[in-house]
Amino acid sequence: GENVEQHPSTLSVQEGDSAVIKCTYSDSASNYFPWYKQELGKRPQLIIDIRSNVGEKKDQRIAVTLNKTAKHFSLHITETQPEDSAVYFCAASMGHDYKLSFGAGTTVTVRA
Amino acid sequence: DVKVTQSSRYLVKRTGEKVFLECVQDMDHENMFWYRQDPGLGLRLIYFSYDVKMKEKGDIPEGYSVSREKKERFSLILESASTNQTSMYLCASTPTGGKGQPQHFGDGTRLSIL
Repeated sequence: GENVEQHPSTLSVQEGDSAVIKCTYSDSASNYFPWYKQELGKRPQLIIDIRSNVGEKKDQRIAVTLNKTAKHFSLHITETQPEDSAVYFCAASMGHDYKLSFGAGTTVTVRA
Repeated sequence: DVKVTQSSRYLVKRTGEKVFLECVQDMDHENMFWYRQDPGLGLRLIYFSYDVKMKEKGDIPEGYSVSREKKERFSLILESASTNQTSMYLCASTPTGGKGQPQHFGDGTRLSIL
């Protein structure tokens, strides 16, 4: 099955700086890559997703890039704010079913 | 807005008990999933279902079973609870209609097995 690796496991940034989380996947058939944010004690919520026919997608301060050849994708958060502190999960789907394979998560802490 | 509701936020049970975790979604989604979340391991898929009466094993099905008698409800069953099943359990759903659909999660059930 699909194997998704996520790095780093923890990330501490100064407010206003950028944060980057990287994920790699193993199966070249994967074609859907969502990112979830989970605040403490809350449910994971989708913040952005990208499909394999697109190389980059942006939504305000959040962007995701996909390199299909290298089988990796990244989440970029610019101008970080304290409310960006959370656990972020990447995931990949092979597209022929609805299953998602998740990375282990990155705990992001934004220092004021 | 999609609503996925898990019956309990916190649950404490004893070793050997049969435990039922319930999940209901109100968006007529065909696909439902059960995950467990452990620190450093992310979300691991236990079971999923594409339709009523249908179930498929995920990556870690041992010690669990599921039931999908109605489209909106997906139950996770721990046949004989053990301490290594202490975890956060998350239910999710997603519609059919084009691959690559985001999953919508419930608030989770934090289960402790004593």
